[in-house]
Amino acid sequence: GQNIDQPTEMTATEGAIVQINCTYQTSGFNGLFWYQQHAGEAPTFLSYNVLDGLEEKGRFSSFLSRSKGYSYLLLKELQMKDSASYLCAVTNVRTDSWGKLQFGAGTQVVVTP
Amino acid sequence: GAVVSQHPSWVICKSGTSVKIECRSLDFQATTMFWYRQFPKQSLMLMATSNEGSKATYEQGVEKDKFLINHASLTLSTLTVTSAHPEDSSFYICSQRTGVSGNTEAFFGQGTRLTVV
Repeated sequence: GQNIDQPTEMTATEGAIVQINCTYQTSGFNGLFWYQQHAGEAPTFLSYNVLDGLEEKGRFSSFLSRSKGYSYLLLKELQMKDSASYLCAVTNVRTDSWGKLQFGAGTQVVVTP
Repeated sequence: GAVVSQHPSWVICKSGTSVKIECRSLDFQATTMFWYRQFPKQSLMLMATSNEGSKATYEQGVEKDKFLINHASLTLSTLTVTSAHPEDSSFYICSQRTGVSGNTEAFFGQGTRLTVV
């Protein structure tokens, strides 16, 4: 399997920037996803990285370093609605021939006024 | 993106009874679907991979005789929790991917909140 680690909780104020780190250990890496999940709801897709570098999508950006087994999700101009759990997920080409994702424990982001 | 419909959204059942959860792919023929379980304040834990026309593949520690998966068609997969116990109370979510590689994201059903009393 793969070990996926991310912080349990982060708190930031409205309008600020928050960076959520994710480290993973796997062989045959085939991509890393970030999902947002509000309490009691299904996860929604935020970003995907398979090559090293930064992917930017509006207020959200995701970075990947394959050699370090490291990714981060950057949330800018935080809004109250960004309060949610953010899940890092990895897919492994060797074991996940059906495309299954393995999720980290999630980081609960709390945005305060 | 693909649309995945999961039913029911929530269910309360008595201990010892069985509950069936349905996951439908509305606009994509899914040969593979994934079933996850999520306990409060925890992440999604993959339970099993459902394969159309063949047996499901279960993750380590998941009892295949307790969590019955049927994927009889390309658009429907079902998860049946048999002889449910209070510790089975959880949030169950199905998902599908439209491909196995590349930036093919996973699409999730709405989830089913199961409470066993």
